[in-house]
Amino acid sequence: SQTIHQWPATLVQPVGSPLSLECTVEGTSNPNLYWYRQAAGRGLQLLFYSVGIGQISSEVPQNLSASRPQDRQFILSSKKLLLSDSGFYLCAFQTSGRNEQYFGPGTRLTVT
Amino acid sequence: GNSVTQMEGPVTLSEEAFLTINCTYTATGYPSLFWYVQYPGEGLQLLLKATKADDKGSNKGFEATYRKETTSFHLEKGSVQVSDSAVYFCALRYAGGTSYGKLTFGQGTILTVHP
Repeated sequence: SQTIHQWPATLVQPVGSPLSLECTVEGTSNPNLYWYRQAAGRGLQLLFYSVGIGQISSEVPQNLSASRPQDRQFILSSKKLLLSDSGFYLCAFQTSGRNEQYFGPGTRLTVT
Repeated sequence: GNSVTQMEGPVTLSEEAFLTINCTYTATGYPSLFWYVQYPGEGLQLLLKATKADDKGSNKGFEATYRKETTSFHLEKGSVQVSDSAVYFCALRYAGGTSYGKLTFGQGTILTVHP
């Protein structure tokens, strides 16, 4: 079966520190991968998506970057966190030929 | 561009009440439509989907019908339970060549069900 993992589950980081969030998918090959941020428990903002290894598209200019070093691994990074980077980060995947996306459990990031 | 509008909420109901959460969309062509549910502190779970006009998606007592004439995909449940308390998101996927499967989400509707 297909599963998606994210870690860490929660993270508290000071302003100006670096960030690395990891997402991995099992049970499928060459999925489309997505990073979303959710503020205040409501709307989702698409940050990045990837249709293949090394292929990253950014939806909004910001303090974050993404990488896809392996087929089923998607990493969200920052060199220096801002207070405004706080939020709930969700990773999702979509398999070839399917319409729906499946989401990971999320990472709660608090920047202090 | 594509957009999804859903009723703001919050919606508060008593157990066994009838639920409707409205969702309307704007899109060119024939998008696929989805309802996702998010329980506190968790990721989103796919609740149901419909891929063409007049399709009815259903799951766990919830259902929604893809109405192209009214560009709507309203979520309904005949008898809600306390365990249905969550945030519900309506979403669409435009199947155009450069969409890369991206979803457009509504803002979410908070549902609280009291015993």
